[in-house]
Amino acid sequence: NAGVTQTPKFRILKIGQSMTLQCTQDMNHNYMYWYRQDPGMGLKLIYYSVGAGITDKGEVPNGYNVSRSTTEDFPLRLELAAPSQTSVYFCASGLQGQGNYGYTFGSGTRLTVV
Amino acid sequence: KNEVEQSPQNLTAQEGEFITINCSYSVGISALHWLQQHPGGGIVSLFMLSSGKKKHGRLIATINIQEKHSSLHITASHPRDSAVYICAATNSGYALNFGKGTSLLVTP
Repeated sequence: NAGVTQTPKFRILKIGQSMTLQCTQDMNHNYMYWYRQDPGMGLKLIYYSVGAGITDKGEVPNGYNVSRSTTEDFPLRLELAAPSQTSVYFCASGLQGQGNYGYTFGSGTRLTVV
Repeated sequence: KNEVEQSPQNLTAQEGEFITINCSYSVGISALHWLQQHPGGGIVSLFMLSSGKKKHGRLIATINIQEKHSSLHITASHPRDSAVYICAATNSGYALNFGKGTSLLVTP
């Protein structure tokens, strides 16, 4: 099992550019999440999905969009990148109520907007 | 919103020491998670617990629901335990509210 796969691992964007962060999981988890991690801060929820076709905003959704057309994929779209979006982004998935270890995280995408 | 506070923020220990990291949260939860993040690395889920105590190798996690408090203990600490340990709480199953993390350095 690959778990949660995020691509790319690193990216530098210019202000105003757009990009999509890819996230795929092969564990048939129904819950998927996007978080951002800023230095000295706890992870903040951007968007989440409880199943294919269902998405909802988290704590910091502005400047981002998501879609969930399949159980496996949960891409995060950045439109008109801004320096404030410089961060490390983590995708995670979970299957509520099962297992001892809860969530599985991707390895992260380090994004710099210049 | 569930406020999750961790202490200490930073911790340095000598190899072999017993380590405790604390986590408190402000409202009732359905589950409390402990996560580990190595420098520059991804995040690994260590424990998910809703009551009592769980053990995995040298790691022990406990939770006191009445006091809204959880602890992560590391016995016989080793330099490879050096990492950031993150506490997170959920009360809906939908998403986690994270603490800011405790940075642990274990020296030989």
